[in-house]
Amino acid sequence: AQKVTQAQTEISVVEKEDVTLDCVYETRDTTYYLFWYKQPPSGELVFLIRRNSFDEQNEISGRYSWNFQKSTSSFNFTITASQVVDSAVYFCALIRGDTGKLIFGQGTTLQVKP
Amino acid sequence: EPEVTQTPSHQVTQMGQEVILRCVPISNHLYFYWYRQILGQKVEFLVSFYNNEISEKSEIFDDQFSVERPDGSNFTLKIRSTKLEDSAMYFCASIPKGTGRGAFFGQGTRLTVV
Repeated sequence: AQKVTQAQTEISVVEKEDVTLDCVYETRDTTYYLFWYKQPPSGELVFLIRRNSFDEQNEISGRYSWNFQKSTSSFNFTITASQVVDSAVYFCALIRGDTGKLIFGQGTTLQVKP
Repeated sequence: EPEVTQTPSHQVTQMGQEVILRCVPISNHLYFYWYRQILGQKVEFLVSFYNNEISEKSEIFDDQFSVERPDGSNFTLKIRSTKLEDSAMYFCASIPKGTGRGAFFGQGTRLTVV
């Protein structure tokens, strides 16, 4: 069975703090893909990053960085110097290699206060 | 940039009525999906559609639900007799040939059953 767990339901930080959103996944597949999506208050799902199971390199994009560790089945997301506009629900998700079906975690609501 | 388009953005319907949610996926994509998000909860897979037939469906996708791709461009989700618990945000998504590339999501249709 496949599963994505985001243990943090809600996180509140003050602007300019760094924050890490945790994601742990379960799968028996050797080929899979991991994603992060942002859902702002307007409701749409905004793609942030995709990582395949063979690529454990960490990635940085501006204030965003991702740490993928197969040994712990984790794909954590860090926002450096958070801003109020980062306030949203963030979802981690998993795709099996052959189906394209996304399995989402429960989401983490991030509130960044000025 | 091509995008997935969903209409309407918000629909209110009486319990027991039929509703059709419409989606125009990206034109050269091959895999199509519907997901549901009850307010405050995670995004859940409903159904996937490939080669003009359902390839997978979840336990949520019971006989009240159906999908169609009537004309090669639109992709619809029909709920035959809506219930209060069908109130949710419904997302359409499409994927190009490589399923691991991740889904391109529409902006969602918020369905309210009263």
